[in-house]
Amino acid sequence: SQQGEEDPQALSIQEGENATMNCSYKTSINNLQWYRQNSGRGLVHLILIRSNEREKHSGRLRVTLDTSKKSSSLLITASRAADTASYFCASHSGTYKYIFGTGTRLKVLA
Amino acid sequence: DVKVTQSSRYLVKRTGEKVFLECVQDMDHENMFWYRQDPGLGLRLIYFSYDVKMKEKGDIPEGYSVSREKKERFSLILESASTNQTSMYLCASSLRTSRGGEQFFGPGTRLTVL
Repeated sequence: SQQGEEDPQALSIQEGENATMNCSYKTSINNLQWYRQNSGRGLVHLILIRSNEREKHSGRLRVTLDTSKKSSSLLITASRAADTASYFCASHSGTYKYIFGTGTRLKVLA
Repeated sequence: DVKVTQSSRYLVKRTGEKVFLECVQDMDHENMFWYRQDPGLGLRLIYFSYDVKMKEKGDIPEGYSVSREKKERFSLILESASTNQTSMYLCASSLRTSRGGEQFFGPGTRLTVL
């Protein structure tokens, strides 16, 4: 399968805690992106990290990229109930194709 | 703000029917995509279009066709719907770039084939 993999598949945490999810991909990439999907809706772009970057921040989001291990992680700090959603990574390798991971379902309990 | 709209949020069709899913974007994006999303499988690319009348097959094009007569509109056609095409269908658009920029997604169409 070309699909990327994410772990954990599901994560349940208390409001205020940090949430970490991981993504692995299979080919060399130009960039890796993270998207959020609220239940039954379309995906919303969160952050893009290029292959020559190792870490990137956006608000409460921190993304790391390790190209030697073909992996990335997304950290959401001080989580809120509104962060409850599914999170997907998508790797892009220079063609038109984006390879999406299978997603992590995050539940933040108030 | 980029807006990508899809013609229906929910659709119920019968086996053998011809089904049209429409997608419209308002930001003059060159690239448009159709994905299907199934539990445990993530998003899989059905078709991609990089310009008017241009299309490329994705990973799972069997049973589907597409049409792009205008830049803003990309249609997905199920020639003869089958129960295994019951799924969530997502349309996306992006600027033409070899560096793979952000994709903008529509709200999705949940199709049920009976």
